[in-house]
Amino acid sequence: EIVMTQSPGTLSASPGETATLSCRASQSVFGNLAWYQHKPGQAPRLLIFDASKRATDLPARFSGSGSGTEFILTINSLQSDDFGVYYCQQYNFWPGTFGQGTKVDIK
Amino acid sequence: QVQLVESGGGVVQPGRSLRLSCVASGFDFSTYAFHWVRQTPGRGLEWLAVISFRGGNKFYADSVKDRFIVSRDNSKNTVFLDMNSLRPEDTAIYYCARRPVGYGLDSWGQGTLVAVSS
Repeated sequence: EIVMTQSPGTLSASPGETATLSCRASQSVFGNLAWYQHKPGQAPRLLIFDASKRATDLPARFSGSGSGTEFILTINSLQSDDFGVYYCQQYNFWPGTFGQGTKVDIK
Repeated sequence: QVQLVESGGGVVQPGRSLRLSCVASGFDFSTYAFHWVRQTPGRGLEWLAVISFRGGNKFYADSVKDRFIVSRDNSKNTVFLDMNSLRPEDTAIYYCARRPVGYGLDSWGQGTLVAVSS
């Protein structure tokens, strides 16, 4: 199965700063990658699909890039509500594996 | 509005079985594939299974293959996950989610908790 590796494990940043989250696939998944935000007690929320397409109503300060094995999620102008664990998931191959997550803390 | 509601979770002994249900409303159920995903404290989100819109195609994670079975009843807008030979490491919150064609998992249920313990 495809192994998805995210870095860093934890990211702490202040409101207004930019957060850069990385996701690496053990082999090419082309552009078949999504990003999700997960907050405690809530269902995960789709942010990005097809590596760079924003989900409906997602603010433009969230952006995704990359293809093949290297992917980036960028969150500009961090807000206090952006806390949570962010996961990447590939869906080029079954099983559709998730990364282990990056926890984002807002200072 | 789009709604997915899981049920069927609970406390179960190792080796026993459990059936989870996911009832959908607010959209044309029969035109979507559905996925099951679980969250464990130690391993984050783990993708488990997918079933195509007519139920003809199913895929599973290696960790549950041969133990879990996904199915659907389009007449009842319901997706099922039959979990057999449960293990303590299956303890998790289980989510169902729909995936529109060419999109990500855009709608999720609130999850149902399964605890496997003697």
